[in-house]
Amino acid sequence: AAGVIQSPRHLIKEKRETATLKCYPISRHDTVYWYQQGPGQDPQFLISFYEKMQSDKGSIPDRFSAQQFSDYHSELNMSSLELGDSALYFCASSLTVNNEQFFGPGTRLTVL
Amino acid sequence: KNEVEQSPQNLTAQEGEFITINCSYSVGISALHWLQQHPGGGIVSLFMLSSGKKKHGRLIATINIQEKHSSLHITASHPRDSAVYICAVRGGATNKLIFGTGTLLAVQP
Repeated sequence: AAGVIQSPRHLIKEKRETATLKCYPISRHDTVYWYQQGPGQDPQFLISFYEKMQSDKGSIPDRFSAQQFSDYHSELNMSSLELGDSALYFCASSLTVNNEQFFGPGTRLTVL
Repeated sequence: KNEVEQSPQNLTAQEGEFITINCSYSVGISALHWLQQHPGGGIVSLFMLSSGKKKHGRLIATINIQEKHSSLHITASHPRDSAVYICAVRGGATNKLIFGTGTLLAVQP
């Protein structure tokens, strides 16, 4: 079975630009989580969605927004990019909340 | 002090050795995850535990809820086991994961 798919895998942007990261969960998974992992850092939780509604919010900057669509895929929109936004962005999915999370390969964002 | 602490931070072993990585946490949890991350790579979920012990191939994970401690064991270690192993906990009232700092394991042939 296909795992969590993220696109793009790599993205290079300049400061003040915008970026959109996409996450396609495992089939039938209705919960999506976004994590940010800076260089040499632990992953940090950003935001999660269950059945298209935000279910939890972490340390997500106001410049970022996210949503989950009717097919359960999710998009993370990032505006006014800063150098410090350079990181690996992971998406994970689970079958309802409180179940095991399965991670995607990540999107590596580099802001120049 | 981090809510999730792992030890050791770095571990070098010879192929075939038995390896133990420890995780201690200070918050109430509903589940604990063990994850594997290869350098520059994605994260693979190894186990999700809420009590007792789980085994998958050469990997064994245990958790003691009263002591707030979990261990990941690798039997007959192999160079392909070289990776960062991360302990992450899910708090009782939330579904987000809180990650430990990871243990960098290098298994030498």
